[in-house]
Amino acid sequence: NAGVTQTPKFRVLKTGQSMTLLCAQDMNHEYMYWYRQDPGMGLRLIHYSVGEGTTAKGEVPDGYNVSRLKKQNFLLGLESAAPSQTSVYFCASRAGTGLAGGTHNEQFFGPGTRLTVL
Amino acid sequence: AQSVAQPEDQVNVAEGNPLTVKCTYSVSGNPYLFWYVQYPNRGLQFLLKYITGDNLVKGSYGFEAEFNKSQTSFHLKKPSALVSDSALYFCAVRHGGNTGKLIFGQGTTLQVKP
Repeated sequence: NAGVTQTPKFRVLKTGQSMTLLCAQDMNHEYMYWYRQDPGMGLRLIHYSVGEGTTAKGEVPDGYNVSRLKKQNFLLGLESAAPSQTSVYFCASRAGTGLAGGTHNEQFFGPGTRLTVL
Repeated sequence: AQSVAQPEDQVNVAEGNPLTVKCTYSVSGNPYLFWYVQYPNRGLQFLLKYITGDNLVKGSYGFEAEFNKSQTSFHLKKPSALVSDSALYFCAVRHGGNTGKLIFGQGTTLQVKP
């Protein structure tokens, strides 16, 4: 049981380049989330998904797109990278069953992707 | 608007001493509160949560947290700190109804010195 995995671990892009970050979970979780972590700002939610085929915007969605074609995968895309997108990106998932739609369940995090945009 | 505040950027304690990492929150309705820990170059790991019931919640690695509704606080505590507890700690609160979205505090670095 690998939990939540993310690829790649590190990436350096030039301004204007595109890339896709992949998140995969093997826990059959319904909910998945993409966050970015910047010093002194905690984690901020970019996009999230409440199930296969559905996505929604979070707190800081501009410049990012997502897709959830399969339940176990959640992809984060940068169409035209900017230096402001230099950050560490974390994916998380949680189960949707239980009290209050499972919102009491903790989120499980991947190891992160460190992205630098020059 | 719902929010979480961690008033201290860094907490320094000596090994063996008790530690407290502070968290206050602002939510509408009943709060679901969480603590996570992040070790260097790693993802976040769940420590404990408050959903309902007993105000003192026990979690992983000997940590506990006290929920105080009147003070809207959820401070993380440990009776005896270890050097290995040195890490970045995040408090979070659920918002967004059934989406289960979390709002995180800015994080507190805990430094435990031998």
